[in-house]
Amino acid sequence: AQSVTQPDIHITVSEGASLELRCNYSYGATPYLFWYVQSPGQGLQLLLKYFSGDTLVQGIKGFEAEFKRSQSSFNLRKPSVHWSDAAEYFCAVGLNAGKSTFGDGTTLTVKP
Amino acid sequence: DVKVTQSSRYLVKRTGEKVFLECVQDMDHENMFWYRQDPGLGLRLIYFSYDVKMKEKGDIPEGYSVSREKKERFSLILESASTNQTSMYLCATLLESGTGGRGYTFGSGTRLTVV
Repeated sequence: AQSVTQPDIHITVSEGASLELRCNYSYGATPYLFWYVQSPGQGLQLLLKYFSGDTLVQGIKGFEAEFKRSQSSFNLRKPSVHWSDAAEYFCAVGLNAGKSTFGDGTTLTVKP
Repeated sequence: DVKVTQSSRYLVKRTGEKVFLECVQDMDHENMFWYRQDPGLGLRLIYFSYDVKMKEKGDIPEGYSVSREKKERFSLILESASTNQTSMYLCATLLESGTGGRGYTFGSGTRLTVV
């Protein structure tokens, strides 16, 4: 069965600083990989996704993620964080049939 | 854009009550999912449905059932609510099986408190 690990429960960065959120997955083949963002009290919004092709994928809100097969990782990055990026971020592994497995989430706090 | 609407943002129910959580989508998505979200546990799949009148158990179906009588509506039922079912419930949709790479569209969630 697939699994997702987000090693960092909580990360704090200063506004304008760069950000990297880590995600490691376990799956027998190359899965679909996703990052979602959840603002307080809201549902999740898809930031970006990867299945094949270029291992560096661009998403909404200036985010990008890099798939590294050798490390089973799919880390999320942003060069310059804005205060509005404060939220909870979830990495997920998906199957073509539709089911997804989510990590436990990383809460991002942005300091002014 | 697909819109996924969960009828209640907040619900407070008593132990033992039968609780219905409703999810409606306004596009022709075949697949619908119910997850619960708890701090430190991420999202856990309760039930999902690939078609009308069709349902499959997820990872934590105990204490729950579902109904899908129409394509656009997927209901989660707590047969006899208990305090350990206090949680955020999230509905999600997917166009169809075989499009899993597109990712989910989520509703805004229903925060259920059982007292």
